[in-house]
Amino acid sequence: TQLLEQSPQFLSIQEGENLTVYCNSSSVFSSLQWYRQEPGEGPVLLVTVVTGGEVKKLKRLTFQFGDARKDSSLHITAAQPGDTGLYLCAGDMDSNYQLIWGAGTKLIIKP
Amino acid sequence: DSGVTQTPKHLITATGQRVTLRCSPRSGDLSVYWYQQSLDQGLQFLIQYYNGEERAKGNILERFSAQQFPDLHSELNLSSLELGDSALYFCASSYSYNEQFFGPGTRLTVL
Repeated sequence: TQLLEQSPQFLSIQEGENLTVYCNSSSVFSSLQWYRQEPGEGPVLLVTVVTGGEVKKLKRLTFQFGDARKDSSLHITAAQPGDTGLYLCAGDMDSNYQLIWGAGTKLIIKP
Repeated sequence: DSGVTQTPKHLITATGQRVTLRCSPRSGDLSVYWYQQSLDQGLQFLIQYYNGEERAKGNILERFSAQQFPDLHSELNLSSLELGDSALYFCASSYSYNEQFFGPGTRLTVL
């Protein structure tokens, strides 16, 4: 059972376009992280959201945590080839000592 | 640079063999996590250690084992290797379990 569903699984768009990827669950998380992974490298933490409804911005990337803390979204404005990578969301449930990972969204930005 | 180191970077071995992967966490981090990532797949959590003790177990095969030493470095032992064990193996460390910092990974190829 996949507790965190990411969509879309794959997205290929042109440079300059906007996009949103989603991370959804029926479970409540105390926090949620977004990571980006480039081919052959380890994931890199981008952001942690903690409060329901919270919005965080990282340059052209906007992260939102759902009001009920069951879902999150990542919006990229004016995507660039450097944004290419695998975007992973991971949720923290207080009852576990491990993160619950989504399967990832593979994003390709074409020049 | 995340501060997490992993050795070796690449490992090529034959079926039936045993290998050991090593991880040194970031300074001050007590938790170490091991993950397996097969080609174009998401992260599969294997096992977590906290300050020398096993804290959480994921989808780790019985042929695999791990330990964390008093200096907090960790080793993942893979035995009776099969072709399907070929993958990237990542180590991550954290001070708190909801934000993880990943090493560069070890790419294991079983021939």
